[in-house]
Amino acid sequence: GENVEQHPSTLSVQEGDSAVIKCTYSDSASNYFPWYKQELGKRPQLIIDIRSNVGEKKDQRIAVTLNKTAKHFSLHITETQPEDSAVYFCAALPNDYKLSFGAGTTVTVRA
Amino acid sequence: GAGVSQSPSNKVTEKGKDVELRCDPISGHTALYWYRQSLGQGLEFLIYFQGNSAPDKSGLPSDRFSAERTGGSVSTLTIQRTQQEDSAVYLCASSKTDSWMGEKLFFGSGTQLSVL
Repeated sequence: GENVEQHPSTLSVQEGDSAVIKCTYSDSASNYFPWYKQELGKRPQLIIDIRSNVGEKKDQRIAVTLNKTAKHFSLHITETQPEDSAVYFCAALPNDYKLSFGAGTTVTVRA
Repeated sequence: GAGVSQSPSNKVTEKGKDVELRCDPISGHTALYWYRQSLGQGLEFLIYFQGNSAPDKSGLPSDRFSAERTGGSVSTLTIQRTQQEDSAVYLCASSKTDSWMGEKLFFGSGTQLSVL
């Protein structure tokens, strides 16, 4: 099955700085890579996703890049704000419908 | 309702007891997933339903775990003879279809299970 590794496990950034979270996956057949944000005590919510035929996608302060050759993808958050503090999960979908998640990154934005 | 609903939100039980967790997906969503989130861990896949059938049960940790879905809607996850290591948040999610290209998952708020 698919194995997704996520780094770092925790990340502390100064407000206004950028945050980068990196993930690697093992199954070359994976074709869909979403990112979910889980605020404290709340449910995970999709913030951005990228498909295998695209190398980069941006949505306001959030961007995701995908390198299929190297089997890794990254989340970039620019101009971080306090409300960006949360746990972020990357995931990869191989051809078995089983969306596999990374272990999560706890992001803390310092005011 | 507007979102995925799970009940109970919290469940405290004694070791050895059986528990039943319920998930009510978004109306019209054909795909339903159960995940387990242990403290400080990622989301562990348990089982997936397409309609009422479960083509993939490979994630269930042991034969004490079972799940069913009736009428293509509500799903129940049953844990028999609970153990302390079963303590976790059990998350349910639904999506419109199970497209190969990936569909957005809508998560419920989870059931916090504590086994004493």
